[in-house]
Amino acid sequence: AQSVTQPDIHITVSEGASLELRCNYSYGATPYLFWYVQSPGQGLQLLLKYFSGDTLVQGIKGFEAEFKRSQSSFNLRKPSVHWSDAAEYFCAVVPTSGTYKYIFGTGTRLKVLA
Amino acid sequence: SQTIHQWPATLVQPVGSPLSLECTVEGTSNPNLYWYRQAAGRGLQLLFYSVGIGQISSEVPQNLSASRPQDRQFILSSKKLLLSDSGFYLCAWSNIQTDTQYFGPGTRLTVL
Repeated sequence: AQSVTQPDIHITVSEGASLELRCNYSYGATPYLFWYVQSPGQGLQLLLKYFSGDTLVQGIKGFEAEFKRSQSSFNLRKPSVHWSDAAEYFCAVVPTSGTYKYIFGTGTRLKVLA
Repeated sequence: SQTIHQWPATLVQPVGSPLSLECTVEGTSNPNLYWYRQAAGRGLQLLFYSVGIGQISSEVPQNLSASRPQDRQFILSSKKLLLSDSGFYLCAWSNIQTDTQYFGPGTRLTVL
């Protein structure tokens, strides 16, 4: 069965430090891949998505993600974290176009130290 | 541009009472619509999705139901709430052009 793994439940970084959030998926072909961010008490906001083409994807708020087919990974990165980045981050996978069921990871909660 | 609304934002209900949560989407037609639940400290659980008026697919057997009376309106209901129904309910939409789900602001439901 398809699955998405976010191995880090909690991550703490200092403001200004770099960030990498890990996401691995289990699926035979290349799926559509997404990263969402959720601030406390809010809905999910799309950060970026990968469908095909360039494997390095730029998103909003200075985030980027790299698709690595050989590792079945889609890790999210940011070179310098701001205190406002503290939130929960979800990776999601859609096996094919037109599929309705998104498979979400369990999320990584990011804490930023001043 | 498209926007998605949910109401109410927060709700406190006694056990055994009915429930009605509403979601509406503006700026797009014939969207796919979704209801998710997010329990405290847990990920997202897909409850229902709809590809058109009157077409509802249920993902999890429970005491909740969903309806889509209009193209851009999605309603989550219950006849009798349970304590376990407490959580954060999120509505989302997508369409064939975007192949991307966009989420509403959510409803915090507390069942006492």
